[in-house]
Amino acid sequence: DTGVSQDPRHKITKRGQNVTFRCDPISEHNRLYWYRQTLGQGPEFLTYFQNEAQLEKSRLLSDRFSAERPKGSFSTLEIQRTEQGDSAMYLCASSLKRGGGSDTQYFGPGTRLTVL
Amino acid sequence: RKEVEQDPGPFNVPEGATVAFNCTYSNSASQSFFWYRQDCRKEPKLLMSVYSSGNEDGRFTAQLNRASQYISLLIRDSKLSDSATYLCVVNDRLGRGSTLGRLYFGRGTQLTVWP
Repeated sequence: DTGVSQDPRHKITKRGQNVTFRCDPISEHNRLYWYRQTLGQGPEFLTYFQNEAQLEKSRLLSDRFSAERPKGSFSTLEIQRTEQGDSAMYLCASSLKRGGGSDTQYFGPGTRLTVL
Repeated sequence: RKEVEQDPGPFNVPEGATVAFNCTYSNSASQSFFWYRQDCRKEPKLLMSVYSSGNEDGRFTAQLNRASQYISLLIRDSKLSDSATYLCVVNDRLGRGSTLGRLYFGRGTQLTVWP
């Protein structure tokens, strides 16, 4: 499968614990995005990388959230001191950005987080 | 005010029906427009981009009205397999430099096609 992959697919944790999710983008895609989706809502942007540089962060991304893409390939999203409000589907997307045109974002299957 | 507003539905239509979804966006500087489809508990998948002149892909027709900041999707001859949530998506020039970054999603419109 050459699509975007995410691991784990499901995570159940207790409030206050730290969790880390991984995203592997489509090979050679230079952009990687993180979104969060709660029930009945569309995905909300969290942050994105172009290669290893984090270019933009949403105000939704509190200081408990951190994302990295150290080698410009896979990315990790860590949530520290999880809260019940963090329960959501965390979606990763990747794209190949060339020049000034728009890039199509391809989404992974997501990691469903449940905080008890 | 949300960036993208959509009627959440649900829309319940019989096979063969024509159904139309609409959405509005708030930022007049928005540059790119899309419809994504999301099946239950699955990831969003690009259905089609939306161009200023309007565009068609088989049974699907998308329209953009920049003056009214309005996007539409028309599905003709609905199939059972069209049952899904349809997400209206907008892309702004908010990234650094002149590049495009984040997508803004509407909450989605749920469609159920019944036999």
